[in-house]
Amino acid sequence: GENVEQHPSTLSVQEGDSAVIKCTYSDSASNYFPWYKQELGKRPQLIIDIRSNVGEKKDQRIAVTLNKTAKHFSLHITETQPEDSAVYFCAASLSGSARQLTFGSGTQLTVLP
Amino acid sequence: GAVVSQHPSWVICKSGTSVKIECRSLDFQATTMFWYRQFPKQSLMLMATSNEGSKATYEQGVEKDKFLINHASLTLSTLTVTSAHPEDSSFYICSARGWGEGEAFFGQGTRLTVV
Repeated sequence: GENVEQHPSTLSVQEGDSAVIKCTYSDSASNYFPWYKQELGKRPQLIIDIRSNVGEKKDQRIAVTLNKTAKHFSLHITETQPEDSAVYFCAASLSGSARQLTFGSGTQLTVLP
Repeated sequence: GAVVSQHPSWVICKSGTSVKIECRSLDFQATTMFWYRQFPKQSLMLMATSNEGSKATYEQGVEKDKFLINHASLTLSTLTVTSAHPEDSSFYICSARGWGEGEAFFGQGTRLTVV
């Protein structure tokens, strides 16, 4: 089955700086890679996703890059703000409603004011 | 986006009792739903895949007789934690994926505390 590794486990940045979180996956058949933000006690919220036919996707301050050959993908947050502080999870799966997501271990991001 | 609703959001129960958690897809039909468990400061771990009209598929190490799953309709899946013990205390979250691209939608989660 799929295995997703995520680094770093914790990340502290100054407000305004950029944050980068990296994930690798094991199953070359995976073609859907979402990123979630989870605040304490809340449900994960999708912040961006990318599919394997695309190398990069951007949405305002958030971007995701995908390297299919190396089987890794990264989340980039620019101009970080204190409200970006949360746990971020990457995931990988095949597309389709019956396909499970496999999650990375999570990154606790702290943005220092 | 689509909405998945989970109930209750928190529950406290005594050891040995059973607790039922409901997961509903409010505006779409979900033939498959997923149940995750999340311990503090850990990731979401898939417990089982719930299939409408058939038996659930459990992940290795998850006791099917302890975590009973019923998916009787296209909009409702239930997870029953039977004979709960303190080590079952956790955050349980359900999820369903939409058609087409398959974006996953999560319920609010249920904080279970067994005393």
